[in-house]
Amino acid sequence: AIQMTQSPSSLSASVGDRVTITCRASQGIRNDLGWYQQKPGKAPKLLIYAASSLQSGVPSRFSGSGSGTDFTLTISSLQPEDFATYYCLQDYNYRTFGQGTKVEIK
Amino acid sequence: QVQLQESGPGLVKPSQTLSLTCTVSGGSISSGSYYWSWIRQPAGKGLEWIGRIYTSGSTNYNPSLKSRVTISVDTSKNQFSLKLSSVTAADTAVYYCARDEYYGDSLGLFYWGQGTLVTVSS
Repeated sequence: AIQMTQSPSSLSASVGDRVTITCRASQGIRNDLGWYQQKPGKAPKLLIYAASSLQSGVPSRFSGSGSGTDFTLTISSLQPEDFATYYCLQDYNYRTFGQGTKVEIK
Repeated sequence: QVQLQESGPGLVKPSQTLSLTCTVSGGSISSGSYYWSWIRQPAGKGLEWIGRIYTSGSTNYNPSLKSRVTISVDTSKNQFSLKLSSVTAADTAVYYCARDEYYGDSLGLFYWGQGTLVTVSS
């Protein structure tokens, strides 16, 4: 089974900061990776698919990059509504989630 | 607008079988190229993919749960279901149903249910 290692597990940042979250796959997964945002008590929301494609309606401050084993989610200027937990999810071989990154207010 | 809604017992006894149903509205469960999926999340922890059933009826399961999981679909009711046998306290979680769909060659879980808490306890 493909393992997804996400880092950091948590981070503290201020509004306006640039935030970067990484995800590493245990084997190459091409660009078969998505990023999700989850707020407390809510279902996750799809932000990015195919590693770098922005889901319709998602603000352009979110971007994704990477291919193979190493992937990055970047929030260019953190907004108050972006404080949440973020997960990567591979779809190369069935599905595996990363452990999540909680973005907290500094 | 597609909507998904989980339903089922909120309390299951250890060693018994957890059974949940996801009702799909706003579209036919048997049309299109979709995977109808189950995901769970223990309190305060991360997300775990359980498995999925394709529109054709083929299934895929998380290897760590495969021996205990069955996902099926009832097209007449526009529902799909999850059965997880021999449950323990470790299976206590919020269970989500979701639709996995293709965006080009990649998949994305766009539509989700609101989630339902299942507690395993005697």
